[in-house]
Amino acid sequence: EDKVVQSPLSLVVHEGDTVTLNCSYEVTNFRSLLWYKQEKKAPTFLFMLTSSGIEKKSGRLSSILDKKELFSILNITATQTGDSAVYLCAGDNTDKLIFGTGTRLQVFP
Amino acid sequence: DTGVSQDPRHKITKRGQNVTFRCDPISEHNRLYWYRQTLGQGPEFLTYFQNEAQLEKSRLLSDRFSAERPKGSFSTLEIQRTEQGDSAMYLCASSLAAQTHEQFFGPGTRLTVL
Repeated sequence: EDKVVQSPLSLVVHEGDTVTLNCSYEVTNFRSLLWYKQEKKAPTFLFMLTSSGIEKKSGRLSSILDKKELFSILNITATQTGDSAVYLCAGDNTDKLIFGTGTRLQVFP
Repeated sequence: DTGVSQDPRHKITKRGQNVTFRCDPISEHNRLYWYRQTLGQGPEFLTYFQNEAQLEKSRLLSDRFSAERPKGSFSTLEIQRTEQGDSAMYLCASSLAAQTHEQFFGPGTRLTVL
């Protein structure tokens, strides 16, 4: 059965800290790994990763995929209060997305 | 604005009642997905359509749930004889068939069953 596991479940940091969010997956017909940010509404897309070892960056956020170890990480540097959200990881099995439970990040001033 | 709309945005109902939700996808998208999200969990796949054909339905979906996409455009999700455990956010997403990873989510319908 397809499975995506995220850790930690929850993270509390101060502004300026750097955080690393983890995602492991077991997804049949795996095509890509996606990261979303969710703030009390529908998930918004952050990254799509298809190849191992190639880092994707967007401002202070970056992500990388390891297809051998079936693992991805999302890094956020110099966190801001606006980064507070649930970060979801999902595996694309060609037909649908399999989501993890998410990591709830709280950034305090 | 992702272009996917859902109606209603909120629904409060009493246990045992039937409810129906609607999703209008992005017009050129031939795939439409329904997910359910409960507090503290990620979205959970329910079912998806390619055009009007329902191609997969999660085995977690009980017989009380039914979804349709009669003309390959909008879709409805009906829950019969609602239970308190049905309380959740119901999310709709759409994509082109070959681009499952590019799913655009609607704002969701939050269902509360009293």
